[in-house]
Amino acid sequence: AQKITQTQPGMFVQEKEAVTLDCTYDTSDPSYGLFWYKQPSSGEMIFLIYQGSYDQQNATEGRYSLNFQKARKSANLVISASQLGDSAMYFCAMREGRGGTALIFGKGTTLSVSS
Amino acid sequence: DAGVIQSPRHEVTEMGQEVTLRCKPISGHDYLFWYRQTMMRGLELLIYFNNNVPIDDSGMPEDRFSAKMPNASFSTLKIQPSEPRDSAVYFCASSFSGSRQTQYFGPGTRLLVL
Repeated sequence: AQKITQTQPGMFVQEKEAVTLDCTYDTSDPSYGLFWYKQPSSGEMIFLIYQGSYDQQNATEGRYSLNFQKARKSANLVISASQLGDSAMYFCAMREGRGGTALIFGKGTTLSVSS
Repeated sequence: DAGVIQSPRHEVTEMGQEVTLRCKPISGHDYLFWYRQTMMRGLELLIYFNNNVPIDDSGMPEDRFSAKMPNASFSTLKIQPSEPRDSAVYFCASSFSGSRQTQYFGPGTRLLVL
């Protein structure tokens, strides 16, 4: 079974609109971390936001927020006020345990922002 | 602060040749990870180190792949002999053993084996 599922291969949004990228995860470990990364066409992997399994509040970083629903095992990324520069591939990833382990990545969602 | 540094950025080689990829992690980070990205398999872990010691190499495809971390500021991933199916983007990432352990990625090495 996949540990990280991103069901949207592609998403399209207009500038200044908000967009939600879906991510569900599967783990039996009570301690885990969830990450979102952005990969623009240039290829680098850019860290966006982190949510810990014990965090009480949803994480926010500027225009990025994470809609964390623990019971549903979902960690959706919300981008507010989309910009053309947000066009990229977005990966959801999970680290199981308290630390010291590798990330497990989803297959990614391609976001296209149009003017 | 400098991020994770990888070299070369691009490598084109012929089948059977030895390829060495290099990585300098962020200073102070005690974890180093090597990932590979392909269209078919996505991003997958090859190996990772903690304090220069290999912890999990279960993702290394086969004996043709080897990785070393002789000190805290340098790691290599070697493929010998290389094959066309090794063509991929190889990322190095590093993290610090704090509460989040956010992994920061290098720019990647795009490898093409002809």
